[in-house]
Amino acid sequence: DTAVSQTPKYLVTQMGNDKSIKCEQNLGHDTMYWYKQDSKKFLKIMFSYNNKELIINETVPNRFSPKSPDKAHLNLHINSLELGDSAVYFCASRRTGVTNEKLFFGSGTQLSVL
Amino acid sequence: AQKVTQAQTEISVVEKEDVTLDCVYETRDTTYYLFWYKQPPSGELVFLIRRNSFDEQNEISGRYSWNFQKSTSSFNFTITASQVVDSAVYFCALSEAQVGGYNKLIFGAGTRLAVHP
Repeated sequence: DTAVSQTPKYLVTQMGNDKSIKCEQNLGHDTMYWYKQDSKKFLKIMFSYNNKELIINETVPNRFSPKSPDKAHLNLHINSLELGDSAVYFCASRRTGVTNEKLFFGSGTQLSVL
Repeated sequence: AQKVTQAQTEISVVEKEDVTLDCVYETRDTTYYLFWYKQPPSGELVFLIRRNSFDEQNEISGRYSWNFQKSTSSFNFTITASQVVDSAVYFCALSEAQVGGYNKLIFGAGTRLAVHP
């Protein structure tokens, strides 16, 4: 049983295209996140949603638009893809009611923009 | 501002050696949490430990041990008798409080550990 699942695992696309990454968690968590891991392995938070509401936005370009149709899903849509968007994108989730509980991560989506 | 520093970019050891991965953090919060995650070559992020700022007891889990020292703002991770399967990138992370009580995890740059047979 996959706790946090992301699709697709790999995404190769051309500059200027629009693409989406989907994330679903079956843990009953109410807070979800998107993290970006660059080529140097640095992990940086992008967004966080709690019960479908945006609570953290780390000054990400507005070409990135997260959407949370319900608290179990957090999708990431990227418009006008650029070379610098190439990275691994991780979805994560946690329960809000428990102080600083660990994040559960998906297996990542490797995005390559050519 | 909150920050996590892992000064060791890469460490290479031979199997059965002990190895310590350093983590130094900065925060103005009096209540905070520290984490270690492992990222093996397969790419997933595996949770290893969580420690709150009020608990300075060292922790041991099998070959893994953690040393938390508030006086030096460090949360170091030691692997005893390393094995090839320990080869991975290890991340130290700090959880800070946000407005509304929601937290985000701030990661260090990671330390790549290579264990050779």
